Amino acid sequence: AQTVTQSQPEMSVQEAETVTLSCTYDTSESDYYLFWYKQPPSRQMILVIRQEAYKQQNATENRFSVNFQKAAKSFSLKISDSQLGDAAMYFCAYRSLTGANSKLTFGKGITLSVRP
Amino acid sequence: ETGVTQTPRHLVMGMTNKKSLKCEQHLGHNAMYWYKQSAKKPLELMFVYNFKEQTENNSVPSRFSPECPNSSHLFLHLHTLQPEDSALYLCASSQVQGGRGIGGNTIYFGEGSWLTVV
Repeated sequence: AQTVTQSQPEMSVQEAETVTLSCTYDTSESDYYLFWYKQPPSRQMILVIRQEAYKQQNATENRFSVNFQKAAKSFSLKISDSQLGDAAMYFCAYRSLTGANSKLTFGKGITLSVRP
Repeated sequence: ETGVTQTPRHLVMGMTNKKSLKCEQHLGHNAMYWYKQSAKKPLELMFVYNFKEQTENNSVPSRFSPECPNSSHLFLHLHTLQPEDSALYLCASSQVQGGRGIGGNTIYFGEGSWLTVV
């Protein structure tokens, strides 16, 4: 079974600075997908960024980028030029590509606060 | 707006009541999910439906009864709940397996239904 680990429960960043959120996972599969979701106080789960494991190039979405290290099974999220609206809980998630296991496996999440 | 709509957004019910949560997706997906999120607990997968068939029940108590009449609608019927069942219930949808190509493999969430059991 796959597991996703987010070992930092909380992080804080100064507005306009850069912050990196860590995520590691464990799997025996070679083909899968990785996601970062953001959950603001409204509790809506919003997709931030996604990565296909077979692609070596790191995904980027505006101020958000990932550092995907497949051999190390690491998938960190970097937020550049942090904004007050980035304050939220962030979840790392894994989805298998093979078999009938179509569900997302989530980490426990990390609470990010942004200091003005 | 993610294309997944949940109603009601807030529900307060007594322990002897029977109520239902509804989820509807407008994304053409064929898999739907119920997740539970309690305070200070990680997201818990409850049920998975693929092509209207339940493929996963994550040891959920029988007081929660899911129903998936078609690929676009998912219900969670609630009866004789306990106060510890108070939580945010999130519905989600996706393609069962989209093959390679990230769009088909992304899971989209509704805004959630806040449930309080009194």
